[in-house]
Amino acid sequence: GNSVTQMEGPVTLSEEAFLTINCTYTATGYPSLFWYVQYPGEGLQLLLKATKADDKGSNKGFEATYRKETTSFHLEKGSVQVSDSAVYFCALLYTSGTYKYIFGTGTRLKVLA
Amino acid sequence: DTAVSQTPKYLVTQMGNDKSIKCEQNLGHDTMYWYKQDSKKFLKIMFSYNNKELIINETVPNRFSPKSPDKAHLNLHINSLELGDSAVYFCASSQDSSGTSYEQYFGPGTRLTVT
Repeated sequence: GNSVTQMEGPVTLSEEAFLTINCTYTATGYPSLFWYVQYPGEGLQLLLKATKADDKGSNKGFEATYRKETTSFHLEKGSVQVSDSAVYFCALLYTSGTYKYIFGTGTRLKVLA
Repeated sequence: DTAVSQTPKYLVTQMGNDKSIKCEQNLGHDTMYWYKQDSKKFLKIMFSYNNKELIINETVPNRFSPKSPDKAHLNLHINSLELGDSAVYFCASSQDSSGTSYEQYFGPGTRLTVT
């Protein structure tokens, strides 16, 4: 079946450090891939997306590339800020009669000043 | 102007009670969802409605019953609450259910605590 696997957190970094959060997926067909972010006390917000292989999604300094050969969609940022502290969810959207999202388990990022 | 709103934000109740959570979206979207997020942040879809019609009904106890009076509202009623129902429940909406408009817009969540 379809699934999303994320690295377990929490991830703790110092400000300006490089961030990578790994995400791999299992899916039949050609799903779309997403990263959502959840700030404390809030709902999830779309951070970036990629709808086909080799697409790169980017937003607010974050990037992720849809790699079909490695079934991965790793999230990266060159220099994190304290305000990036949040929980990050990798997700895929697939069709099985109707469209459905599958979310990963989330990775908590804590950035220290 | 809030896009997806939920009430209440916090709900504390005892086992066996019946409670409802309300959700409203002012985005003009056709599709609405309910998700459950457990204490480990795992997020799982429960239901999805498109234009007041149920299109996704995952394996949840039949104590949970969604109701959509119109396409801007999707309420969740829970009967005979159990300790395991304690979680954060998120409402979300998207423009349609065809997948062509991918983004889901989430409400702020309702933290349900069953004692």
